[in-house]
Amino acid sequence: DAMVIQNPRYQVTQFGKPVTLSCSQTLNHNVMYWYQQKSSQAPKLLFHYYDKDFNNEADTPDNFQSRRPNTSFCFLDIRSPGLGDAAMYLCATSRENSSGRVVWYNEQFFGPGTRLTVL
Amino acid sequence: AQTVTQSQPEMSVQEAETVTLSCTYDTSESNYYLFWYKQPPSRQMILVIRQEAYKQQNATENRFSVNFQKAAKSFSLKISDSQLGDTAMYFCAFMTSGTYKYIFGTGTRLKVLA
Repeated sequence: DAMVIQNPRYQVTQFGKPVTLSCSQTLNHNVMYWYQQKSSQAPKLLFHYYDKDFNNEADTPDNFQSRRPNTSFCFLDIRSPGLGDAAMYLCATSRENSSGRVVWYNEQFFGPGTRLTVL
Repeated sequence: AQTVTQSQPEMSVQEAETVTLSCTYDTSESNYYLFWYKQPPSRQMILVIRQEAYKQQNATENRFSVNFQKAAKSFSLKISDSQLGDTAMYFCAFMTSGTYKYIFGTGTRLKVLA
């Protein structure tokens, strides 16, 4: 089945130690997103890729970076994790369509998430 | 700016009963999409149902249906014949046509009781 896969499902890191989370998709969607979700809260968008174009949300800390080496894979790098970065990190994908000048985005498909613990 | 409000932080329903989760939104846009997502405990978020604003007919997916009132900016989710597997956090989301960004509500935690 086509899907969004995240590895690892659980990640433990130490305060200040860089960590990388990965996401892959078999949906061939051109848009990929990274969200941070803290307990019982709505997901918060960190950034998204439209093909290879990177789009950062204005309030995403500089501590968070992302890479998308190809259509299928996207990585979230946290350069110096703090205790406040402990959260669930969700990857999502969607497909953008266009017809002439009309552009629309389809619904997002989410991965199972990576739960990050910072010690 | 668009906002999405879910006024019920928690709800419970007996198995086999019907429950309605409320969602209201605020926008000046005329073309947009609305979604309900389900996030079971420790499991991934999945799309339950979507509604295009230009469609007057309410969307339905098996036991799930919506009551979309565009003038009132209301988008409630009705779950019929509730099952234990419906226990989850439910998020209402809004997206303006032509944009990539979801505006999420704060979620409603639904518990289905045996």
